[in-house]
Amino acid sequence: KQEVTQIPAALSVPEGENLVLNCSFTDSAIYNLQWFRQDPGKGLTSLLLIQSSQREQTSGRLNASLDKSSGRSTLYIAASQPGDSATYLCAVPSNAGNNRKLIWGLGTSLAVNP
Amino acid sequence: GAGVSQSPSNKVTEKGKDVELRCDPISGHTALYWYRQSLGQGLEFLIYFQGNSAPDKSGLPSDRFSAERTGGSVSTLTIQRTQQEDSAVYLCASSRQDAVYFGEGSWLTVV
Repeated sequence: KQEVTQIPAALSVPEGENLVLNCSFTDSAIYNLQWFRQDPGKGLTSLLLIQSSQREQTSGRLNASLDKSSGRSTLYIAASQPGDSATYLCAVPSNAGNNRKLIWGLGTSLAVNP
Repeated sequence: GAGVSQSPSNKVTEKGKDVELRCDPISGHTALYWYRQSLGQGLEFLIYFQGNSAPDKSGLPSDRFSAERTGGSVSTLTIQRTQQEDSAVYLCASSRQDAVYFGEGSWLTVV
């Protein structure tokens, strides 16, 4: 059974720091991995999708890497800003049956302080 | 519209009443999901629709919960005889291939 874990659960950094959020999964047979952002009282915003054949994806100051063999993904945020404060979630699709429901980590709550 | 649209955005209801939550997915997306997120908890899968296939209802927590998807587009999640433990944000998502896109959620409070 696929399980997704995110470390750390919470992170507080001063503005301008580069930081890394970690996501691990127990079953390496994944189709893809997706990182999301959730702001308080809001839905989820898709940040990056990495296919199983890819090693990394970049969007602006965000870079996500994927190492299937070790069951890990990292989200790197460069030059963090207060506007980056949110909860970051990673998820992988279930590979059981035809339902590609997402299996979620509990998220990393990030606070970037001015 | 450009994104997944959900309504209502907020709903306060009395215990025992029925509620309906609506989701309008991104045009052309064949897959539609409902998830629930309770305060301080992770996302909980509820139900999955894919094209004309029978939905996967394995995540529905009780028979008070039901959902339908008409014409392969709009979906309605119905909660009958609401209980206080149903209070949560109900998130709808749609996808065509791999990337999954979420709506803003319907925040349900049962008093």
